Amino acid sequence: DTEVTQTPKHLVMGMTNKKSLKCEQHMGHRAMYWYKQKAKKPPELMFVYSYEKLSINESVPSRFSPECPNSSLLNLHLHALQPEDSALYLCASSQDLVSQPQHFGDGTRLSIL
Amino acid sequence: QKEVEQDPGPLSVPEGAIVSLNCTYSNSAFQYFMWYRQYSRKGPELLMYTYSSGNKEDGRFTAQVDKSSKYISLFIRDSQPSDSATYLCAMSGDSSYKLIFGSGTRLLVRP
Repeated sequence: DTEVTQTPKHLVMGMTNKKSLKCEQHMGHRAMYWYKQKAKKPPELMFVYSYEKLSINESVPSRFSPECPNSSLLNLHLHALQPEDSALYLCASSQDLVSQPQHFGDGTRLSIL
Repeated sequence: QKEVEQDPGPLSVPEGAIVSLNCTYSNSAFQYFMWYRQYSRKGPELLMYTYSSGNKEDGRFTAQVDKSSKYISLFIRDSQPSDSATYLCAMSGDSSYKLIFGSGTRLLVRP
């Protein structure tokens, strides 16, 4: 079992739907990350939160909206996604922004119809 | 040229073989070196983590870092079918949030 928990495991949504992905960690880590992973490719960084504040946005389209309600939780709100956004969305955490390693959850497999 | 190069495989070995997985890199500022194992439809699982140069051993797994050659390796002894997965190397500089991944090597251990 991973120490970073993501829900749901699978999500199918239409292009006009609004949905949210959730991530939770109980390791006391203060940095949390969202990644996108396409098949047979390594993860690509999307967002970084440090001490519950958004620190890095890797030029992600505004149809993806991150939120960090507290130090253990991270959400990714989805709206008006495109078919090419279908991917595995991974959450990760680390002790803080400049520390490694990062620990990953098992991801949410997202399919856009 | 990519910052981190990793042979995508697939690498197919018989059960019990010693497996050697490798990555080369170009950025001499990298100080953190990680190996992740990713099973199909799962997230990357941290296997080994090394800071700077040297070797690290954990059970059947040994990680080596040679900074002079900009080359890292992961050795798996007595490989098992359950080791069949994609292995990702990842690196980072000091005081950096960014992980630079290799493309991943797919390993198949045949019973």
